[in-house]
Amino acid sequence: EADIYQTPRYLVIGTGKKITLECSQTMGHDKMYWYQQDPGMELHLIHYSYGVNSTEKGDLSSESTVSRIRTEHFPLTLESARPSHTSQYLCASSASTGVGFDTQYFGPGTRLTVL
Amino acid sequence: GNSVTQMEGPVTLSEEAFLTINCTYTATGYPSLFWYVQYPGEGLQLLLKATKADDKGSNKGFEATYRKETTSFHLEKGSVQVSDSAVYFCALSDRGYSTLTFGKGTMLLVSP
Repeated sequence: EADIYQTPRYLVIGTGKKITLECSQTMGHDKMYWYQQDPGMELHLIHYSYGVNSTEKGDLSSESTVSRIRTEHFPLTLESARPSHTSQYLCASSASTGVGFDTQYFGPGTRLTVL
Repeated sequence: GNSVTQMEGPVTLSEEAFLTINCTYTATGYPSLFWYVQYPGEGLQLLLKATKADDKGSNKGFEATYRKETTSFHLEKGSVQVSDSAVYFCALSDRGYSTLTFGKGTMLLVSP
């Protein structure tokens, strides 16, 4: 079973606040990802990292930023939250297998509501 | 570019009915294919996967066969249970890349 954790699970916050969503994994995976899931269930990749000090933007443009200072930790930050940021945020990780595909393991998600 | 198309839901079935959720894909290379499941209030869990043509992935009574000729990876289960009610996502990963391309998800509702 995958060991990937996200905190908080639920967050309600006012417009303009700075927030950080935490994601940690204990599996030693080198790759980590952030997805945004809209109310219609669709998943959009917003950030990913292939290792420490490596971060890339995903398919969906996002005002959030990420950092990867430690292998196990991949926090996502919103400098100034807005109602349009209301969504579910899912973190995932995978290990390089060298066989052409990596299986991603997902955390439970953070449901963010910005008022 | 890569894309995944799933049948729209919700799919509503009675317990013990047969399930099929269609999934087709477009990819430039030779992708690996996945089905993930999301139960209410939770993250995604890997349900099954297949890495090459004609491979069959299976888990918990669910099956899907990688059909290169029809670019499909349909999910099937012979007898669904109420506990199978969830959202199912088809996804692909192109060889050499780690990022996943997801379909839009199909909600399955099973009634007793």
